[in-house]
Amino acid sequence: KNEVEQSPQNLTAQEGEFITINCSYSVGISALHWLQQHPGGGIVSLFMLSSGKKKHGRLIATINIQEKHSSLHITASHPRDSAVYICAVELQGGSEKLVFGKGTKLTVNP
Amino acid sequence: GAVVSQHPSWVICKSGTSVKIECRSLDFQATTMFWYRQFPKQSLMLMATSNEGSKATYEQGVEKDKFLINHASLTLSTLTVTSAHPEDSSFYICSAAGFTRGKLFFGSGTQLSVL
Repeated sequence: KNEVEQSPQNLTAQEGEFITINCSYSVGISALHWLQQHPGGGIVSLFMLSSGKKKHGRLIATINIQEKHSSLHITASHPRDSAVYICAVELQGGSEKLVFGKGTKLTVNP
Repeated sequence: GAVVSQHPSWVICKSGTSVKIECRSLDFQATTMFWYRQFPKQSLMLMATSNEGSKATYEQGVEKDKFLINHASLTLSTLTVTSAHPEDSSFYICSAAGFTRGKLFFGSGTQLSVL
């Protein structure tokens, strides 16, 4: 079993829909990252969370440390949001090493 | 924002040759750089952690003599795939950690194809 599990693996939505991507982990962490990987492969860091909730534009990320679960929400989705969204956890110890989920491929249709 | 530049973005080489991939932090000093590998439809996997001025730390199962990492300055780390074989064909990507805690910046990745 992977240490970081994401669901769903694939997600197709219509433009304007509210999107939720889930991430569960089974190890002790110091932080959790949400990353966006575009078709060309480049990766952008969206959020780093250690507790609570963060918002940036139409993106919202939450984390529940007790339940070892995080969610990434996209409001008013747009075709340009189409990408692979990756959850990654930073293991306890402060090394900044990341363990990655397999990613969720999001396709937003116009 | 901070930028990490990775070159080349795409390389094809013959089996047995060596390939060098560069990762540069353009506007900040990266004390630590990470090298990852990603096979199709798989998760990113950490290969090694490089710290400026010291030897890289390799993850279990990664051959340090095959994947040579050099982090000679605070802005440049290189990964050299030596004597490349077709099974080394993969997407390689670096990330750099700046002095600001928790901010990770990724390169654009290198798609390596070994014939």
